Amino acid sequence: DAKTTQPNSMESNEEEPVHLPCNHSTISGTDYIHWYRQLPSQGPEYVIHGLTSNVNNRMASLAIAEDRKSSTLILHRATLRDAAVYYCILRGGSSNTGKLIFGQGTTLQVKP
Amino acid sequence: KAGVTQTPRYLIKTRGQQVTLSCSPISGHRSVSWYQQTPGQGLQFLFEYFSETQRNKGNFPGRFSGRQFSNSRSEMNVSTLELGDSALYLCASSLRDARGLNEKLFFGSGTQLSVL
Repeated sequence: DAKTTQPNSMESNEEEPVHLPCNHSTISGTDYIHWYRQLPSQGPEYVIHGLTSNVNNRMASLAIAEDRKSSTLILHRATLRDAAVYYCILRGGSSNTGKLIFGQGTTLQVKP
Repeated sequence: KAGVTQTPRYLIKTRGQQVTLSCSPISGHRSVSWYQQTPGQGLQFLFEYFSETQRNKGNFPGRFSGRQFSNSRSEMNVSTLELGDSALYLCASSLRDARGLNEKLFFGSGTQLSVL
């Protein structure tokens, strides 16, 4: 399975934008980029996903590099509730099995 | 619409015992997956079921088993518990086949299992 690399931790101030990077240099042409987050004491929560084009939803935006070797999850105005571990996950390719492969993720701290 | 429900929320067992965890997926969802989360290993895939059939299994010993019923509810069982089985066990459901690349997984809050 193609691997993703994320920073271990990031900090943000409340109400400021947050850009969470993810590198996936071995991504294949059929891999989708998914983001999940896990708030304390909860299961992971779907955030957003995309293939080639940038995507927006009510929670966040996903910016995908033209060569698809990296992507950025954008939280437009961080709130204290956004403090969580964010996971960037590739789905698809030759080993598509339906399982999500979680790395260590990025722990986001939001300061008031 | 109710989310994914896992019971019990907390469980304490002793070594050698067995345990059964339950997962009720979102109504209408047909796929259920199970994950184990520990501080050392993070989130690891256990198995996935679709329409009562196990489609995929992670790298866990045979002591870990599961099944899915006709109403899509799922159970997982761990026999001969070991201390290392202490973990948060998470269940996720999806509307269709979890192998769908656009498919979103919806997770429950998990069952925290402690083995003493």
